[in-house]
Amino acid sequence: GQQLNQSPQSMFIQEGEDVSMNCTSSSIFNTWLWYKQDPGEGPVLLIALYKAGELTSNGRLTAQFGITRKDSFLNISASIPSDVGIYFCAGHLSGYALNFGKGTSLLVTP
Amino acid sequence: EAGVAQSPRYKIIEKRQSVAFWCNPISGHATLYWYQQILGQGPKLLIQFQNNGVVDDSQLPKDRFSAERLKGVDSTLKIQPAKLEDSAVYLCASSLVGGDSNEQFFGPGTRLTVL
Repeated sequence: GQQLNQSPQSMFIQEGEDVSMNCTSSSIFNTWLWYKQDPGEGPVLLIALYKAGELTSNGRLTAQFGITRKDSFLNISASIPSDVGIYFCAGHLSGYALNFGKGTSLLVTP
Repeated sequence: EAGVAQSPRYKIIEKRQSVAFWCNPISGHATLYWYQQILGQGPKLLIQFQNNGVVDDSQLPKDRFSAERLKGVDSTLKIQPAKLEDSAVYLCASSLVGGDSNEQFFGPGTRLTVL
């Protein structure tokens, strides 16, 4: 499958700070998705992006589908302790399986 | 609405033993997926079903892994015999629309430890 590079690998921030993470690919995708996984649970879909250039928000989360279709970023504003978890990007191309990045581990201190 | 159910949640076995995992998808979801998630990695697709037919099993190690979805609802994934490198979380997911659907809902996973 296509190689996805997700960065940073981990982040350690203070409550109230904004967070930004991104994902790049060696090839294009039709859809970008962002998931959050809590310990002992499966990933939960946060945001889905379907068009190049699309900017979508879900509460304090904002994600964008890169214009080249090879990248996406996720921003979290005013972080809170419950934002702790692992965030995965995933890219989808028609006819192929969903392709996940390796995740960004987020720690938030009060 | 009930989510994707998986059992057991944890399993510890010795290498060369067999193990089976069960998944019940969200009601009405035609497509079911099994993923393997090794520690520190994202999920990797093992097999995708649409109803009771296999859509993609290209990454399933067929010499030891098998899966079925006989009635197009719940599914089982089996490993026989298990190897140390099979230690991972096995996630089941389902989606409403078949084929290229990408809005997948995940279960809590089964954590397998092979000793």
